[in-house]
Amino acid sequence: DAGVIQSPRHEVTEMGQEVTLRCKPISGHNSLFWYRQTMMRGLELLIYFNNNVPIDDSGMPEDRFSAKMPNASFSTLKIQPSEPRDSAVYFCASSSGQGATEAFFGQGTRLTVV
Amino acid sequence: GDSVTQMEGPVTLSEEAFLTINCTYTATGYPSLFWYVQYPGEGLQLLLKATKADDKGSNKGFEATYRKETTSFHLEKGSVQVSDSAVYFCALSDRRGYSTLTFGKGTMLLVSP
Repeated sequence: DAGVIQSPRHEVTEMGQEVTLRCKPISGHNSLFWYRQTMMRGLELLIYFNNNVPIDDSGMPEDRFSAKMPNASFSTLKIQPSEPRDSAVYFCASSSGQGATEAFFGQGTRLTVV
Repeated sequence: GDSVTQMEGPVTLSEEAFLTINCTYTATGYPSLFWYVQYPGEGLQLLLKATKADDKGSNKGFEATYRKETTSFHLEKGSVQVSDSAVYFCALSDRRGYSTLTFGKGTMLLVSP
């Protein structure tokens, strides 16, 4: 298996622009998570899905952030409009469900908003 | 809510030294515990895990024991290598939920030859 695949690996955009981050989870995994990593706040859970349905989006910082999972093999995290404080590394992770199973992480997207 | 506290870094060691990175947690219920490692420019990789009290997780020479009485999950390695230089994250997962992870702040380990 290729693991969790995220694209792009790096994104530089200007303030006010729309940014879309993409994630392909491991085949057969039914839970998908979006995390954000910053120096100040560490790793934070933004939103997670189970069987393509959003379960908890309480970690999404503002209405400028939205996430979708149209099918079991694809998810997007969109920021519109982007701001410099959104600069961070965004990780997607997937797992096979409830219980003690671990989550598998993608390599992340480093977002820089200038 | 759930939380994880781990020692601040960086931890600087010479090759073949003994490593301990402390981790304690607060959780309602009975969590599973994990150590993840992040190499420069990479994502997080699971290093080891433990799912119940007194379980010992181990991998690549690293070990951690789930201590319910002290709510701890300290990471140890008897002899570190330069290639172990990375950031180490302690995390917990509420097994009643969907495997969402609560992370500590991370501890950077720097090993010199």
